[in-house]
Amino acid sequence: KAGVTQTPRYLIKTRGQQVTLSCSPISGHRSVSWYQQTPGQGLQFLFEYFSETQRNKGNFPGRFSGRQFSNSRSEMNVSTLELGDSALYLCASSQSLSTEAFFGQGTRLTVV
Amino acid sequence: AQTVTQSQPEMSVQEAETVTLSCTYDTSENNYYLFWYKQPPSRQMILVIRQEAYKQQNATENRFSVNFQKAAKSFSLKISDSQLGDTAMYFCAFKGIQGAQKLVFGQGTRLTINP
Repeated sequence: KAGVTQTPRYLIKTRGQQVTLSCSPISGHRSVSWYQQTPGQGLQFLFEYFSETQRNKGNFPGRFSGRQFSNSRSEMNVSTLELGDSALYLCASSQSLSTEAFFGQGTRLTVV
Repeated sequence: AQTVTQSQPEMSVQEAETVTLSCTYDTSENNYYLFWYKQPPSRQMILVIRQEAYKQQNATENRFSVNFQKAAKSFSLKISDSQLGDTAMYFCAFKGIQGAQKLVFGQGTRLTINP
């Protein structure tokens, strides 16, 4: 069974631009969550989707948004990029909201 | 709000030795899940072991075992017969059952296994 797939693996964007990251969960998993990992703040929860509905949202500005499609694939979007948005963005999928999460390899975003 | 604390930023042991990583957490919930994740240099976050709070028996996965002390809110990871491939960042994580069911991570422990 294929694991969680995140694309692209690496991105370089300029301040002010927007970016869309994609996540394909493990087949059969209906929950997808996103995390931001930085050296200073560690791993921080962005949001979680289950059956196309956002169930939880972390403490991030409205520039960060996401969605989930009927096939459980998810995208997250960051608008008006700032230097501080440079991070590793990790996606995780789970069968339900209460089971263990399996992570993708992440997307490394660099904002210049 | 839940918090997870890993008090050991870095640890280093010799190959084949046993090492224990510490984790404490704070929550008002009675039922929850605890996890240890490993993040090697490849950055892939890998699930090592999981513990349900309602289970008194400590979880074990091959060379990895936990010491779960619910009253003390402590959840340590023991790695036996450590191998070079165990070199990684290790994160302790909490997930509640009620309310926001997000993973709350500790700051991580960088573990180095020396040959």
